[in-house]
Amino acid sequence: DIQMTQSPSSLSASVGDRVTITCQASQDINNYLNWYQQKPGKAPKLLIYDASNLEAGVPSRFGGSGSGTHFTFTISSLQPEDLATYYCQQYDNFPRTFGQGTKLEIK
Amino acid sequence: EVQLVESGGGLGQPGRSLRLSCAASGFTFDDYAMHWVRLVPGKGLEWVSGISWNSDRRRYADSVKGRFTISRDNAKKSLFLQMNSLRIEDTALYYCVKDKYRSSWGEYFQHWGQGTLVSVSS
Repeated sequence: DIQMTQSPSSLSASVGDRVTITCQASQDINNYLNWYQQKPGKAPKLLIYDASNLEAGVPSRFGGSGSGTHFTFTISSLQPEDLATYYCQQYDNFPRTFGQGTKLEIK
Repeated sequence: EVQLVESGGGLGQPGRSLRLSCAASGFTFDDYAMHWVRLVPGKGLEWVSGISWNSDRRRYADSVKGRFTISRDNAKKSLFLQMNSLRIEDTALYYCVKDKYRSSWGEYFQHWGQGTLVSVSS
């Protein structure tokens, strides 16, 4: 199975800050990577697909980059409503696997 | 509007069975692959199983292989997960999930239900 390692596991930032989360795959997955946001008590939401493509309706402050084994998710200017846990997910192979999540708190 | 409504969760004992259901609406159900993904307390999201639009492909996580069976009834626009030989570690919130594209096979999990809670305890 492909292991996805996210860091950090949690972080606290202020409104307006730039936030970066990384995801490392245990093997080359090309750009077959997605990012999801899960707000407390809600279902996950697809934000970024194919490593860097913004899902329709998602604010442009969210972004993604990377290829191969190293990927980055960025919020350019943190907003209060961005309080959530963020997950990366690979689809290069079955089983589809997720990172362990990054819990983002607002200072 | 796409809607996915899960049911069938509850309290189960180790070794016993539960059957989850997902009622779909708002899209052409038999055009899309469907999946079950669970949120494990303290651990995060885990993909459990997926089924192609016509049921000819089914895949499982190693943790549930041989115990869980995914199926669908396209006429009734419903997805199922038969969970046998339950274990304590199957305790989770189970989501019914729809792929993004008609041609997708587990690439993009675009639409999610609100989940049904399964708690396994003696």
